[in-house]
Amino acid sequence: AQKVTQAQTEISVVEKEDVTLDCVYETRDTTYYLFWYKQPPSGELVFLIRRNSFDEQNEISGRYSWNFQKSTSSFNFTITASQVVDSAVYFCALRLDNYGQNFVFGPGTRLSVLP
Amino acid sequence: KAGVTQTPRYLIKTRGQQVTLSCSPISGHRSVSWYQQTPGQGLQFLFEYFSETQRNKGNFPGRFSGRQFSNSRSEMNVSTLELGDSALYLCASSLEDGVSYNEQFFGPGTRLTVL
Repeated sequence: AQKVTQAQTEISVVEKEDVTLDCVYETRDTTYYLFWYKQPPSGELVFLIRRNSFDEQNEISGRYSWNFQKSTSSFNFTITASQVVDSAVYFCALRLDNYGQNFVFGPGTRLSVLP
Repeated sequence: KAGVTQTPRYLIKTRGQQVTLSCSPISGHRSVSWYQQTPGQGLQFLFEYFSETQRNKGNFPGRFSGRQFSNSRSEMNVSTLELGDSALYLCASSLEDGVSYNEQFFGPGTRLTVL
């Protein structure tokens, strides 16, 4: 069975600090996709990134970066120089490349960035 | 370009009733996915439609069903409502041009309360 673990339930940082959100996944499939989503207080989910299992390159997008390591089944997300607008719940998700129940979300990490 | 719209935004029903939620994707988007979000179960994938066909389905009972129309608009239906169906139902659309994975865009959600 597939599973996504986000061990950090809540994180608080002060503005301008760097913060890393952890994501550990479990699957026996060799083909899969990993996602990060942001859910701000308004409630609307925002897609941040998708990474497939064959592409272990790290990715950077502005202040956001992602570290994908198959050896440890982790797909961690780092926000550099955090801002108050980064306050949100962040979800990591795993999707398999097949049909059926194939999209599993982690429980989310609530990030609070204090001014 | 208009974003993903969901109607109604709020809904109150009683146990045993049925409900239909509607989602209008971004113009040109062919894929529509539905998700349920509850405090207890978190985010769960319901189903995905592409070109009027259900392509993927999450682990939900048969009371949950959906469909997609030729204009890509989608509806989901929940029959014989239970208290546990109270949730935020999110819809997302993506282009799915068949070349590469496309970003998902989420609607604001429909908040369903079952009394």
